[in-house]
Amino acid sequence: DAGVTQSPTHLIKTRGQQVTLRCSPKSGHDTVSWYQQALGQGPQFIFQYYEEEERQRGNFPDRFSGHQFPNYSSELNVNALLLGDSALYLCASSFRQEQFFGPGTRLTVL
Amino acid sequence: QKEVEQNSGPLSVPEGAIASLNCTYSDRGSQSFFWYRQYSGKSPELIMFIYSNGDKEDGRFTAQLNKASQYVSLLIRDSQPSDSATYLCAVVRSNDYKLSFGAGTTVTVRA
Repeated sequence: DAGVTQSPTHLIKTRGQQVTLRCSPKSGHDTVSWYQQALGQGPQFIFQYYEEEERQRGNFPDRFSGHQFPNYSSELNVNALLLGDSALYLCASSFRQEQFFGPGTRLTVL
Repeated sequence: QKEVEQNSGPLSVPEGAIASLNCTYSDRGSQSFFWYRQYSGKSPELIMFIYSNGDKEDGRFTAQLNKASQYVSLLIRDSQPSDSATYLCAVVRSNDYKLSFGAGTTVTVRA
C-alpha cells in the first residue's frame, strides 16, 4: 500500500515565477491538507481540500491556491514567488482525524 | 499566546533512559492531540494520537493528556539512538480541521 506521494522532491525557482506542487494521497484517504515548514519551525497550515472543495484555509495570501481532483489527488500553486516562500511544502492525507504526511517538496526561491 | 507550545530543547538523554516531552495548548476546546517524529531532512511521521484524558501506550511510547491543565506529554521509554529526532506536538481545535503545531523539541539519545 503506497503512502502519500509528492512531486517533485526538490525545486529551484526565481522570484516572481510560479510553481505547482503535486500530491497523491494514501489509498482510502479522501482529504488532503497542505503545510509549509520553514527551517526550525513547525509546519504551518495552508489549506485543506475535501470533496474537491477548499474546506479550510490558513493565514496565507491569495498567491497560494490549490485544487483537488476527483481521484483525491491535489495540487498546490504559488504565484509571484518571494524569497520567503523558500520552505519544505508538506502534503498530508487523511480519512478521519489522523493526518499522514508525504515526503515533502523542498522549494528554493532565488 | 501561541496556540501550541513546546520546550525547544535540545533534550539529551542517555541510552535506555526515559525521555519526557511536554506540550501545552491555549484553546480549551481542543479535541485531538498528536505527536509526530521528524528526522532531520525528512517529513513528520505520526507516532501517537490521543483524544481522551489519561494515558495511551503504544510500545515504548506513552501519551498523556490532561485537558483540565491543557497539557499533553509524550514519554519515550528505553530510549535508543534511533529516537534522536525532533518531536512535534500538534492539536486540532474544536470545529477545526487543521493541525496546529508547536515548534518541536529536539531529542538526542547518547550512547
